[in-house]
Amino acid sequence: ETGVTQTPRHLVMGMTNKKSLKCEQHLGHNAMYWYKQSAKKPLELMFVYNFKEQTENNSVPSRFSPECPNSSHLFLHLHTLQPEDSALYLCASSQVGGRRTEAFFGQGTRLTVV
Amino acid sequence: DQQVKQNSPSLSVQEGRISILNCDYTNSMFDYFLWYKKYPAEGPTFLISISSIKDKNEDGRFTVFLNKSAKHLSLHIVPSQPGDSAVYFCAAKDAGGTSYGKLTFGQGTILTVHP
Repeated sequence: ETGVTQTPRHLVMGMTNKKSLKCEQHLGHNAMYWYKQSAKKPLELMFVYNFKEQTENNSVPSRFSPECPNSSHLFLHLHTLQPEDSALYLCASSQVGGRRTEAFFGQGTRLTVV
Repeated sequence: DQQVKQNSPSLSVQEGRISILNCDYTNSMFDYFLWYKKYPAEGPTFLISISSIKDKNEDGRFTVFLNKSAKHLSLHIVPSQPGDSAVYFCAAKDAGGTSYGKLTFGQGTILTVHP
């Protein structure tokens, strides 16, 4: 149990579907992140939320839409995705400004776009 | 432009021997470095970290060394165990004011420890 929970663990969706990924952290952290891991690539940062405010968007296409209703929950809304968007999507949280700065990751959502 | 690089995609080691995983970085603003371990179908788990004001940090079988002048860090695992077989990611945190704790990751190194 890492304290960061992601649902669903696996998702298969068509290119015209709309789906959402959910992340919840139980660690009392003030920052949450979405990362994407494609095959043979480093983890790529997509979005950063600090105290519920989006502070970074790493040139992510608009077909990915994040939402952070509170400091414990983070969503990634997906619509009209492409097959190349198939990847492992990882949520993480950290305490920015605290003594410990490491990010804690969820188990990820394996997304397949068909 | 990849700011954190792990140039060895894979490493194979005999059980009981030392595993050395290497990582190079280019951004001199990085002030905190971390190693993560990842098993298949799981998220990365934090292993060990080091601040840029130190050159060594040890935790049990794991030791991280930082050479700031060379912009190089390494993770030593000794003795290596079969359960250490996983993908190891090096990550770095930017000291810049707007970074909000974000991490920049390397590509990962697959470590295989043979019994």
